[in-house]
Amino acid sequence: DTEVTQTPKHLVMGMTNKKSLKCEQHMGHRAMYWYKQKAKKPPELMFVYSYEKLSINESVPSRFSPECPNSSLLNLHLHALQPEDSALYLCASSQEWGAARPDTQYFGPGTRLTVL
Amino acid sequence: AQRVTQPEKLLSVFKGAPVELKCNYSYSGSPELFWYVQYSRQRLQLLLRHISRESIKGFTADLNKGETSFHLKKPFAQEEDSAMYYCAPKNAGGTSYGKLTFGQGTILTVHP
Repeated sequence: DTEVTQTPKHLVMGMTNKKSLKCEQHMGHRAMYWYKQKAKKPPELMFVYSYEKLSINESVPSRFSPECPNSSLLNLHLHALQPEDSALYLCASSQEWGAARPDTQYFGPGTRLTVL
Repeated sequence: AQRVTQPEKLLSVFKGAPVELKCNYSYSGSPELFWYVQYSRQRLQLLLRHISRESIKGFTADLNKGETSFHLKKPFAQEEDSAMYYCAPKNAGGTSYGKLTFGQGTILTVHP
């Protein structure tokens, strides 16, 4: 399996809802990432997990809560979001975070989130 | 400050014409450089990286350390090349070692 999968494809939620995004990879990668992408804009890094530990939090508001239950899974828990949080949320994985040797990130198809 | 610039937001060419998508970067150290492509309704995918010195789908990119550029080129554009292209340097030092930063992107449209 050489793909990063994400569920759900689409999600509509209200500002008081709690929901979760899920990401999975079976490539044996030990680094996993969450990005946020607004329409016609580049992806922006949110979080990096390395060996199931949070390595980077790019000053993301606490209403976004990442979780890495095991080396293949990455979740993003959402609570009390704002309409401006509507975006495409991308998950990616790579062999290792911050590796001295060449390393490539592979992206999932994304979850399109709409916050009403 | 670390910076990546793709000066053209939009680029239109006719099928069979050469195409060049520009990327300039300002990074300390020697970043690893990538081009990613996002076709309509498809996932972001790696097109090529400078370290491999390969040609993918007819595209090549040469790293010019003197000019700090990593322009993407193809001699004969095809309609299926129409997509959003992102240049993405990866930090090679400091606290953000390994972080991939995307340029603003260039939308390439190849007309028949």
